[in-house]
Amino acid sequence: KAGVTQTPRYLIKTRGQQVTLSCSPISGHRSVSWYQQTPGQGLQFLFEYFSETQRNKGNFPGRFSGRQFSNSRSEMNVSTLELGDSALYLCASSPGDRDLETQYFGPGTRLLVL
Amino acid sequence: GQQLNQSPQSMFIQEGEDVSMNCTSSSIFNTWLWYKQDPGEGPVLLIALYKAGELTSNGRLTAQFGITRKDSFLNISASIPSDVGIYFCAGRARGTYKYIFGTGTRLKVLA
Repeated sequence: KAGVTQTPRYLIKTRGQQVTLSCSPISGHRSVSWYQQTPGQGLQFLFEYFSETQRNKGNFPGRFSGRQFSNSRSEMNVSTLELGDSALYLCASSPGDRDLETQYFGPGTRLLVL
Repeated sequence: GQQLNQSPQSMFIQEGEDVSMNCTSSSIFNTWLWYKQDPGEGPVLLIALYKAGELTSNGRLTAQFGITRKDSFLNISASIPSDVGIYFCAGRARGTYKYIFGTGTRLKVLA
């Protein structure tokens, strides 16, 4: 089975621009979660999607949004980029409908905002 | 955002030594996961625990699901240089689909 894939792997943007990141989960997984990782803040939960619906949301401003498609692929969008948005963005997939299940991460997208 | 208490925050050890780290939560979890992350990469799953008191091994790694369901432990035996990295715990409460992560333990192994 192929693992979780994320594109692009690296991205450089300037302040004020917007960015869209993509995540393809493991085949058969319907839940995709997004995380922001910075050296100072660790892994911070952004949101989780299951069957095209946002099921959980973290404490991030509205500039951060996401969506999930019918094939479970997910995108996250950050509008009006700020310098502090520079981070490693990770997505993780899991079946999403079991009481006991495991979550697997992709390699991440490194975003640098100049 | 919410994070679990993970300790130690970092540690230097000699090659061949055993390592222990732990995670504590104020909430009861029904799943504990342990991950290892290398620089610039995504976390890789090491061990998954689903039952209080459960002890599970993966090679030189052994993890335990605490009996109170509010903590978990990871042990690495006979450490080697490639064990270097950041180790994260993650917990999930029953009925939720959101994992809470620990603050990470940065492990450095001296050859």
